[in-house]
Amino acid sequence: GNSVTQMEGPVTLSEEAFLTINCTYTATGYPSLFWYVQYPGEGLQLLLKATKADDKGSNKGFEATYRKETTSFHLEKGSVQVSDSAVYFCALSRSNYGGSQGNLIFGKGTKLSVKP
Amino acid sequence: DTGVSQDPRHKITKRGQNVTFRCDPISEHNRLYWYRQTLGQGPEFLTYFQNEAQLEKSRLLSDRFSAERPKGSFSTLEIQRTEQGDSAMYLCASSRVDTEAFFGQGTRLTVV
Repeated sequence: GNSVTQMEGPVTLSEEAFLTINCTYTATGYPSLFWYVQYPGEGLQLLLKATKADDKGSNKGFEATYRKETTSFHLEKGSVQVSDSAVYFCALSRSNYGGSQGNLIFGKGTKLSVKP
Repeated sequence: DTGVSQDPRHKITKRGQNVTFRCDPISEHNRLYWYRQTLGQGPEFLTYFQNEAQLEKSRLLSDRFSAERPKGSFSTLEIQRTEQGDSAMYLCASSRVDTEAFFGQGTRLTVV
């Protein structure tokens, strides 16, 4: 079945540092891929998504590219801010051929702390 | 629309008691999902509905768990004879068909 593995944290960076959080997946077919973010005291929010190979999702300065050849969807940001401190979850759809984008398999999450 | 709403936000119950949680999805969303999240883990899928039909249930959803969405709007998740291992955050999400899911803030259950 489908599965996702993401880099374990916690990750601590200084403000304006470059961020990479690794995410790899196992799937047959072509699932959709997502990054969700959970800020302290808040619910999960969709950060970005990609629904087919070579798609790049982007939002709030974050980017991730759907790489089928390496089965990866790494999250990157060129210059992090204190306000980016949160837990980041990589996820993929349990359906391999489109369909529901809400029926998801999540990674364990990576806690990011950004220091001023 | 204020997004996905879950009630209560926190619930403490004694082992063996029954509990029920409610989820109100975004009004135009016809899909509704339940997830469970334990500390340090990502959310795990439990079940989902399209309108009032329950289309899929995870093996995590034991016989003590039941979910309903009687009129295709709000949903309830009931846990009977709670156990300490049921302590977790229960998340609800909703979506249109083939669009991303929006999550509520969850109900934190503590079984003592």
